[in-house]
Amino acid sequence: DAGVIQSPRHEVTEMGQEVTLRCKPISGHNSLFWYRQTMMRGLELLIYFNNNVPIDDSGMPEDRFSAKMPNASFSTLKIQPSEPRDSAVYFCASSLVSGANQPQHFGDGTRLSIL
Amino acid sequence: GENVEQHPSTLSVQEGDSAVIKCTYSDSASNYFPWYKQELGKRPQLIIDIRSNVGEKKDQRIAVTLNKTAKHFSLHITETQPEDSAVYFCAASTYGNTGKLIFGQGTTLQVKP
Repeated sequence: DAGVIQSPRHEVTEMGQEVTLRCKPISGHNSLFWYRQTMMRGLELLIYFNNNVPIDDSGMPEDRFSAKMPNASFSTLKIQPSEPRDSAVYFCASSLVSGANQPQHFGDGTRLSIL
Repeated sequence: GENVEQHPSTLSVQEGDSAVIKCTYSDSASNYFPWYKQELGKRPQLIIDIRSNVGEKKDQRIAVTLNKTAKHFSLHITETQPEDSAVYFCAASTYGNTGKLIFGQGTTLQVKP
């Protein structure tokens, strides 16, 4: 099992640029979660999908953030335009939801730096 | 909605001692409680979990206890080792089978050799 795969692992860009983070969940998992982690705010849930459908995006900080899941094996988180305060580690996680809650498995994260 | 409080925020112990981290949750309907370990620069990794129909679960040096009446659960690490040093997060499921977890704020555990 390859686990949750995220790309890129590191991203450094200038403010105002568009940033796209990518995630491939574990095959067979039907729920996908995007988190942001900072020292100040800890681990924050941004948005999550069940069966490719966005269920709760209340954690998305602003309209500059958007997420899509066009199919069961791929999701993107986009920031446009990016700002220095968006600098953080962004994690994607997936789980299998069927009858009972199951653990979430995290990817290695994308460390984003906005200059 | 669900809220999870985790204490302490930092914990320092001597190698070989035990460490205990406690979490409380607000939603009595929550039924799944995982614990994650995050080493510096790494991803959170599941170390143990417990469901609401069980009061205690153990895996080698790690154990988790759940008190549904009081709505709190705890992680116990015995015979701590320097490699146990990390940030530990508790979490609780929200009502309904959505897979969504509410995480605690994290506990930084330092095991001194």
